[in-house]
Amino acid sequence: QKEVEQNSGPLSVPEGAIASLNCTYSDRGSQSFFWYRQYSGKSPELIMSIYSNGDKEDGRFTAQLNKASQYVSLLIRDSQPSDSATYLCAGDTNAGKSTFGDGTTLTVKP
Amino acid sequence: KAGVTQTPRYLIKTRGQQVTLSCSPISGHRSVSWYQQTPGQGLQFLFEYFSETQRNKGNFPGRFSGRQFSNSRSEMNVSTLELGDSALYLCASSADRGMGQPQHFGDGTRLSIL
Repeated sequence: QKEVEQNSGPLSVPEGAIASLNCTYSDRGSQSFFWYRQYSGKSPELIMSIYSNGDKEDGRFTAQLNKASQYVSLLIRDSQPSDSATYLCAGDTNAGKSTFGDGTTLTVKP
Repeated sequence: KAGVTQTPRYLIKTRGQQVTLSCSPISGHRSVSWYQQTPGQGLQFLFEYFSETQRNKGNFPGRFSGRQFSNSRSEMNVSTLELGDSALYLCASSADRGMGQPQHFGDGTRLSIL
């Protein structure tokens, strides 16, 4: 079992819909969680970070964390074709160990 | 503020050779991490350096090594290259790791082994 599992894609949503990306982790030492977006041929770029249970909103993006269930999610509202990319979930322990999921590829269709 | 700079961007080597990749972190960042990304294996953690010391290490053979200099710049070396080492090598810097600090990635070095 991978330490960080993401829902297998690819995920396709129509423009304007909500895209839901999910991630579970096995290391209970993980304290900080990050979502990165990676366009094809490019490097990952940070879009959200979340450290405590609950929701964190930033524009069209909402990250959710539930440490009891070891679950992290990213919601993208009003999805745009420019959101089409691979989304990587990552968890960091306080010791600095960082583990990435394999990513979920999202396609937003006009 | 300049981002993370990796050089070279592309590299072609043959089996058995060795290669050195370079990474200059964002100014003020002391933590540098290296990752290997391949289509089949995703993003795999190689190692992390902080203040010139290797602080964390992934599950890669000893052919993969690195170091960090006093100005936080880092190099990664791969010796006795194998075909399976063909990948995108990414460097990421952060102010610190394990303190909730996110990582910022460079554009990567694409290494092809012939």
